[in-house]
Amino acid sequence: NAGVMQNPRHLVRRRGQEARLRCSPMKGHSHVYWYRQLPEEGLKFMVYLQKENIIDESGMPKERFSAEFPKEGPSILRIQQVVRGDSAAYFCASSPLPSAGPNSPLHFGNGTRLTVT
Amino acid sequence: AQTVTQSQPEMSVQEAETVTLSCTYDTSESDYYLFWYKQPPSRQMILVIRQEAYKQQNATENRFSVNFQKAAKSFSLKISDSQLGDAAMYFCAYRSATQGAQKLVFGQGTRLTINP
Repeated sequence: NAGVMQNPRHLVRRRGQEARLRCSPMKGHSHVYWYRQLPEEGLKFMVYLQKENIIDESGMPKERFSAEFPKEGPSILRIQQVVRGDSAAYFCASSPLPSAGPNSPLHFGNGTRLTVT
Repeated sequence: AQTVTQSQPEMSVQEAETVTLSCTYDTSESDYYLFWYKQPPSRQMILVIRQEAYKQQNATENRFSVNFQKAAKSFSLKISDSQLGDAAMYFCAYRSATQGAQKLVFGQGTRLTINP
C-alpha cells in the first residue's frame, strides 16, 4: 500500500530554468496539498487541490508558481524561471474526501529538495 | 488567520528522561484540531499525536502525551522515557474544522536532541 510518492527526491536547476515537481497521492485520496519548507523553518502552505480544481491557493506566490491536479496522473507543482530564493524542500500531502473529516490526518510524501544554482 | 508559535527552537534531554515541547496558537474558531508531527533527518513528516478541540481529555499515544489548555490556547507535547530515536524536529500544527479550510498551519519547529 504505497504512500504519497514524490519525485524527484532532489532537483537541481539553474536560475531561469523551470522546475516541475510531481506528487502521486495515496490510493483512494483525491485531495492534495503542497507545502514549502525553507531551511530551519516550518512548512508553509502553498496550495490545496482536488482533481481538476484548485480549492485554496492563498499560499502560492502570485508569479512563476502554478499547480495542477489533472483527472489522470500526478499533481504537478511548476516553478518557472527559478531564482535562488526558490531553493527549499517542497512537500506534498494527500487526504481522502473531506467527508472523512479534518481529523483524518494528512499523509506526507518525503519531499523534493530543490536547489537553484 | 490562524498562527502557531513554538517558542523553543532547540531542546535537549537525557535518554530515558522526560521532556516537554511548547506550542501556542491563535484562533477565533471554537472547533479545530491540533497535531504534533515529527521530522527526522530523512525529512519524512510523521504524525505523532492529534487532539480534537472539543475533547477535554488529553490525547495519549504510548510515550507521547499532550497537555491541551483550550482557554490558554496551549498545546504542549510531553515525551516520556526519551529514546535516541526520538531525536528530530517537532512541529505543532493547527487545522480548522471548517469545510474547505482544512490546510495545516505549522509552527516553526523545535529541534530535539537526545543525549545518551
